[in-house]
Formats: sequence, structure tokens, C-alpha cells
Amino acid sequence: QSALTQPPSASGSPGQSVTISCTGTSSDVGADDYVSWYQQHPGKAPKLIIYEVSERPSGVPDRFSGSKSGNTASLTVSGLQADDEADYYCSSYAGSNNYIFGSGTKVTVL
Amino acid sequence: EVQLVESGGGLVRPGESLRVSCAASGFPLSSSSIHWVRQRPGEGLVWVSRLDRDGSVTTYADSVKGRFTVSRDNGENTVFLEMNSLRVEDTAVYYCAKGNRGGWFDPWGQGTLVTVSS
Repeated sequence: QSALTQPPSASGSPGQSVTISCTGTSSDVGADDYVSWYQQHPGKAPKLIIYEVSERPSGVPDRFSGSKSGNTASLTVSGLQADDEADYYCSSYAGSNNYIFGSGTKVTVL
Repeated sequence: EVQLVESGGGLVRPGESLRVSCAASGFPLSSSSIHWVRQRPGEGLVWVSRLDRDGSVTTYADSVKGRFTVSRDNGENTVFLEMNSLRVEDTAVYYCAKGNRGGWFDPWGQGTLVTVSS
């Protein structure tokens, strides 16, 4: 199964917002609300930042928000900070105990 | 504190086998599923395998089906990923992660590097 489609890169100046899309199919992203997002800094393990489309784990700033429309989920990072510069991955349940990740988006803070 | 720690990575030759481990602390493995996710150098995350909380149901990505086997030792609270017939393209950092009912992974271990090269 191919990866969910994300733009390879996104960028913004400090204080601005950036939105990353994650496009799948009606069998994964569009099937239910089991979409999550992960932040990964170089050389580090991924960190959960959004689960079930729009829920934030404890400790994740409310600058991070998620949404979904049809087969496309989105992550918005508002008030960009230097530490937000990282790779971001979406993930979705794909049925029958299978899961799929997005291709990843590198966010650069200008 | 809920924590996962991987170990066992290393350098092997194509066709050989390797077993990596994922030691859990702060929660019993019987309470949640455990997933394996890999990341080839410079590439993105790829889901590899899932072991359900009962330890009886396993699921694998097509790319590893028939070659990889996931199991666990309840006494050691550890999950294992047995990798056979390894290929150069299996070279990656292997992460284990705790699964949750909503299909999300948290927390993750620090990863262990598996290198397959002649």
C-alpha cells in the first residue's frame, strides 16, 4: 500500500502559520477518525502531537491543530517557533489491523 | 512512566536473521497492542507490524509478511521482532510504539538500527 500523500516541504516565518495536508482514500483517511500526526526532529523518535483527527495529547501546545474533510486530513501549526522546524507525518488506520503513514513533510522556519 | 526501549540492532549480511527487542515499562503488555515502525535512512516512517494486546493476533505489512514474526514474553514484558531472510532494503531504524484504540502510537522507543549489507 502506498503512503498517504503529503507535500514534501512547507515553510513560514516565525509567528506565521503553516498547514500540511495528508491525502488518502475512503479506505483509510476517509473511513473513520483514526488519523494522527507525529513530529520528528533529526535523529529523534517521532512524537505524537495530534490523535483522532483533532485531539491534542497533554503537553502539546494548542498552536497545533488538526482537521479532516473527506479523504484529506490537515495539520496547522500556528505561531511558528524555531523548535517547530522538524519533519511531520500523518498516519491512518487502514482497516484489518493495518496502518499507513504519510510520506512526510519537512517544515522550515524561515 | 510509560516507556519503551529497543535493543538488538546491528550489522548482518543479506539472507541472515536478527531479533530485535522492545522492553516495556510502566504498563503491562496485556493492556495494549505494540507496533513496529521502520525508517530507512533519509526516508519516511513505514508501519511494519502489530501485535494485539492478547498476544495472539499479529498483522504485517506486505513487504515483510512471511519473513518477520512478532511475539512477546509476558514475564519480561518484552516484545520481539524476529527478522529472517533479511534484505538490503530492510536496512532501517526500527521503532516500537504502544498502540491505542484510536489507532495512534504513543509513546515510541528510541529506535534500534538494523543494517543489512554484504
